[in-house]
Amino acid sequence: ETGVTQTPRHLVMGMTNKKSLKCEQHLGHNAMYWYKQSAKKPLELMFVYSLEERVENNSVPSRFSPECPNSSHLFLHLHTLQPEDSALYLCASSQEQFQETQYFGPGTRLLVL
Amino acid sequence: AQTVTQSQPEMSVQEAETVTLSCTYDTSENNYYLFWYKQPPSRQMILVIRQEAYKQQNATENRFSVNFQKAAKSFSLKISDSQLGDTAMYFCAFMKWGSNYKLTFGKGTLLTVNP
Repeated sequence: ETGVTQTPRHLVMGMTNKKSLKCEQHLGHNAMYWYKQSAKKPLELMFVYSLEERVENNSVPSRFSPECPNSSHLFLHLHTLQPEDSALYLCASSQEQFQETQYFGPGTRLLVL
Repeated sequence: AQTVTQSQPEMSVQEAETVTLSCTYDTSENNYYLFWYKQPPSRQMILVIRQEAYKQQNATENRFSVNFQKAAKSFSLKISDSQLGDTAMYFCAFMKWGSNYKLTFGKGTLLTVNP
């Protein structure tokens, strides 16, 4: 296993709920990412943080709200989600800007009812 | 925009045999990186191998090697002496040099290694 952890591993929520996904990396990296993985679709990059600043927001709906309080932690706050948001949400990290290798967490399997 | 195509949604191979997974990509860039990531069932995605486009020599990592054909924009993965633990989804990915971290993934190939 790599040094990127995610909690919870599974989450079921209603469309009116508010929940948060957490990612923590133990690799000393300073860039972190959120990806969405849906069945039969390529991984979609959602957000990128470098040195705790957001450097990429890939046209993600505002019902997804990221937060990066420090270089080791990344959150994805969820509110009023839709059933089509059900997917595996992957966190990744890498070292320094333009570092090519990203290390992934195990993901949170999200089901929106 | 870059695109990555993996034309084989599923493949299977017998244990100890060799299998090749195909990947093609479309880009106008000259400097970039290519990757193969492996995602075993219910486990984390891990990097298998990577290739810098400026390097002519094909990357190898133990039983894993690539056939990088820059002119043809092809980046296939060869797995030798397949093992049961190689069963996984394999994703090909592209990153433009200096692209602010943006990885473009293919849809993946599900490889099953049969005993």
